[in-house]
Amino acid sequence: ETAVFQTPNYHVTQVGNEVSFNCKQTLGHDTMYWYKQDSKKLLKIMFSYNNKQLIVNETVPRRFSPQSSDKAHLNLRIKSVEPEDSAVYLCASSWTDQDTQYFGPGTRLLVL
Amino acid sequence: GEKVEQHQSTLSVREGDSAVINCTYTDTASSYFPWYKQEAGKSLHFVIDIRSNVDRKQSQRLTVLLDKKAKRFSLHITATQPEDSAIYFCAASKGPGSFNKLTFGAGTRLAVCP
Repeated sequence: ETAVFQTPNYHVTQVGNEVSFNCKQTLGHDTMYWYKQDSKKLLKIMFSYNNKQLIVNETVPRRFSPQSSDKAHLNLRIKSVEPEDSAVYLCASSWTDQDTQYFGPGTRLLVL
Repeated sequence: GEKVEQHQSTLSVREGDSAVINCTYTDTASSYFPWYKQEAGKSLHFVIDIRSNVDRKQSQRLTVLLDKKAKRFSLHITATQPEDSAIYFCAASKGPGSFNKLTFGAGTRLAVCP
């Protein structure tokens, strides 16, 4: 049963465009995350957001920025996408920063 | 930083046999070790986890073993079924203050053959 929702499922865009992905969780969790899964299935944390505190993975390029209106929503904006941004972006949430993370279905981005 | 390695990229077993997937980690401060399953075209599904205060945890056909000295943990699946076929990811994170930053292994593709 899905309780972490992501839109869109799939997005195709061209180099230099801006894209925005949405994530909403209905679990009442306090912490949300964004991960990137590349074509080799490698998973890397991009951001975690807990009680309005943002923790950024220092390897994430500045064109990526998370946006949160409340603890149930954590969106991801990419300004000026590049070909290497093609990947699946996975949103997750957990009760606290020490608990099990539950993942959404992912948004697949293809940059042409 | 932490590195998590899964030494088997693929694993094939016969239906009904047991499967063991191994992972190692580098950071002695890591204290939380979850496992996730990813079926073809789907997202990650949590299967089981273990914390460093125990060395064994079982949930039905799944058992996780943790060897803190060797910095190694493993997922054991007994009586495998075709629906166990998927990519299994291990991960590790540190305790309080780490914001649950999970470092994932590269995944092990398990194939359960009838």
